[in-house]
Amino acid sequence: AQKVTQAQTEISVVEKEDVTLDCVYETRDTTYYLFWYKQPPSGELVFLIRRNSFDEQNEISGRYSWNFQKSTSSFNFTITASQVVDSAVYFCALTRLTGTASKLTFGTGTRLQVTL
Amino acid sequence: DTEVTQTPKHLVMGMTNKKSLKCEQHMGHRAMYWYKQKAKKPPELMFVYSYEKLSINESVPSRFSPECPNSSLLNLHLHALQPEDSALYLCASSPGPWVGGYTFGSGTRLTVV
Repeated sequence: AQKVTQAQTEISVVEKEDVTLDCVYETRDTTYYLFWYKQPPSGELVFLIRRNSFDEQNEISGRYSWNFQKSTSSFNFTITASQVVDSAVYFCALTRLTGTASKLTFGTGTRLQVTL
Repeated sequence: DTEVTQTPKHLVMGMTNKKSLKCEQHMGHRAMYWYKQKAKKPPELMFVYSYEKLSINESVPSRFSPECPNSSLLNLHLHALQPEDSALYLCASSPGPWVGGYTFGSGTRLTVV
């Protein structure tokens, strides 16, 4: 069975602080994709990153960076110098490839509150 | 066009009503999805359409009836819903059924009264 665990339910930081959102996953598949999505109060899910199971290279995109470690089944997300606009719920998700389609399993989400 | 468009954005319906949610994409994606998201919960998969055929039904009650008239359009027909069906309904698409890279719409916020 697939499972994504985001142990941090809520995090509050002051603007300009760095913050790391943790994600731990479980899967028996050898081929899979991991994702991070941002969901602001308006409700839409905004794609941030996709990483496949064979690519353990860390990635940096502006203030965002991701640390994928297959050995610990973790895919953590760091925001450097956080801003108020980063306030949202962040979901880590895992794709399972079935015989006919792919299924996206989400973690329970981490609510990030950035204050001035 | 890199968007998934969902209409309506908000819907209030009675338990005896019949209504439909609509989802449209023009990115040439061949897989489309319906997710349901209750407040303070993650999205949960309901249905997957792959090349306009229903591939996955996650044991969704029959009062939810999906339809994929063509590769760009996905509908969700609603009938005899219960108040507990009130939720945000999200549509998504991806280039193919086995390729990640999902694009989500902004959702329809449904309230059943």
